[in-house]
Amino acid sequence: DQQVKQNSPSLSVQEGRISILNCDYTNSMFDYFLWYKKYPAEGPTFLISISSIKDKNEDGRFTVFLNKSAKHLSLHIVPSQPGDSAVYFCAASHYGQNFVFGPGTRLSVLP
Amino acid sequence: DAEITQSPRHKITETGRQVTLACHQTWNHNNMFWYRQDLGHGLRLIHYSYGVQDTNKGEVSDGYSVSRSNTEDLPLTLESAASSQTSVYFCASSRDRELSEAFFGQGTRLTVV
Repeated sequence: DQQVKQNSPSLSVQEGRISILNCDYTNSMFDYFLWYKKYPAEGPTFLISISSIKDKNEDGRFTVFLNKSAKHLSLHIVPSQPGDSAVYFCAASHYGQNFVFGPGTRLSVLP
Repeated sequence: DAEITQSPRHKITETGRQVTLACHQTWNHNNMFWYRQDLGHGLRLIHYSYGVQDTNKGEVSDGYSVSRSNTEDLPLTLESAASSQTSVYFCASSRDRELSEAFFGQGTRLTVV
C-alpha cells in the first residue's frame, strides 16, 4: 500500500500558466511534507517543504498547500516556465526521519 | 562546498555477483538513506542509518545490506545481484533534527545481466 500517492503520472501546461501538482497521503503520523524536482540523469533536488502546523508555504513561484483533514497537498507553480519541465516527487516524513516518496508526476511546460 | 557523491555512476554486473555502491557525504549528517527508483514506484527506501553503527531496513531491503563505520559513508552491498535489482540507486543524507530536507547524490545506474 502506497502511503504517498501522486495520481497523475503526467501533466502538460502552457508556458506562463499555472501548474498544479497533487499529492495524497494515508499516514496521519506524517508531519513534514516536501516536494522534490528531478531532471533526467540527476538526483532529486529539494524544492519546497511545509510542516503540519501550516497550511501554506510560498517560495517565489512555488507555493505548497496542505489540507490535513483531507490528507492532501498540492504544489502550485506560477507562472510555469519551460525549465520547470521535470519529474516532481512528493515526500512525507515523521519528525524529519524517514522520507516516503510518491511515484512522481512528470510535468511538461510547453512553450 | 559540502556535497554527497555516489560511485560508480554506471555499473553493469552479472547475476550472482556481489556489488557495492559507494556513497560519501561531507555535510557531517547523521542520517543517510539508500533509495531505488523504478518506473511507477518512485523512490523506495532500501536501508537507512541514523548514525555510526546504526542501520535499519527499509521497504525493499531484501538482497541488500549496508554498514556504517563512520559518519561520511554508507556503502550499499548487493550480496548476489539479481536482474530484479536493475535500477537507479540514490543515496541521500539529512540533518538529525526535525523539519530537515534530504540531499541526494546524482545516482548510480546499475544493470544486472
